[in-house]
Amino acid sequence: DAKTTQPTSMDCAEGRAANLPCNHSTISGNEYVYWYRQIHSQGPQYIIHGLKNNETNEMASLIITEDRKSSTLILPHATLRDTAVYYCIAYFRSDYKLSFGAGTTVTVRA
Amino acid sequence: DADVTQTPRNRITKTGKRIMLECSQTKGHDRMYWYRQDPGLGLQLIYYSFDVKDINKGEISDGYSVSRQAQAKFSLSLESAIPNQTALYFCATSDSGLAADTQYFGPGTRLTVL
Repeated sequence: DAKTTQPTSMDCAEGRAANLPCNHSTISGNEYVYWYRQIHSQGPQYIIHGLKNNETNEMASLIITEDRKSSTLILPHATLRDTAVYYCIAYFRSDYKLSFGAGTTVTVRA
Repeated sequence: DADVTQTPRNRITKTGKRIMLECSQTKGHDRMYWYRQDPGLGLQLIYYSFDVKDINKGEISDGYSVSRQAQAKFSLSLESAIPNQTALYFCATSDSGLAADTQYFGPGTRLTVL
C-alpha cells in the first residue's frame, strides 16, 4: 500500500470550508484514495473515496490531482460536530486491509 | 438500532484472565474484521474473516484468537490477557460485492488489563 502523508493538525472556523490535504506520491494506478474520520474514540466513519475523478457526496468532496500524487478532502460547511481525526488511506480495491496512519486532527472552532 | 454492535463497551480485567469481546452485525455483510487502537495511534488489524469458514491473521494476531460463529457474529478472545493489550478494540464489517471496500465500524470496546 502507498504511504500517505497528512498534516498533524489544523483548525477551521465553523461555517467555513475545511480543506484537508493528503500526499500519496507513491500511489499505484490501482490504488484508491479513501477518507475516514474518527470522532473522539468512536468507531471510524467512512466519508468518501475515489480513483481518478473528483467525487462528491452528502458529506464531502474529494479532489484528486491529475497525477494522483495528492488529494484534498473538502468539508463544505464545517460544523462543530466535524471535529475529528481524519484519515487518508490509499489501498487496492481488491484488498481488505485499511492502513490507518496518524491522520489529521481537525478542530472546528465557533 | 446500530448496524454493528460490540459487547462489552468497557471492560477491566486482570493479567492472565481470559476475555472475550463480541461483535454482531445486522448489515448482512460477509466480511468482518477486528482492529486494535492504542492511544494517539491509528488502527491495526488483528484478524479478519471473509466468511464463516475463512479466518485470517492480520498485522498483530499474536496473543489473540477469533471465532466466526455465524455470518453475523465474530468474537475476539484474549486467552491470557497482559497489560500491553490495554487498548480500544473495534469490529468492522464490509460487503463482498462491489462495495467491498467500505468498512463499517462498531462503537468500540475499551479494554483495560491491570
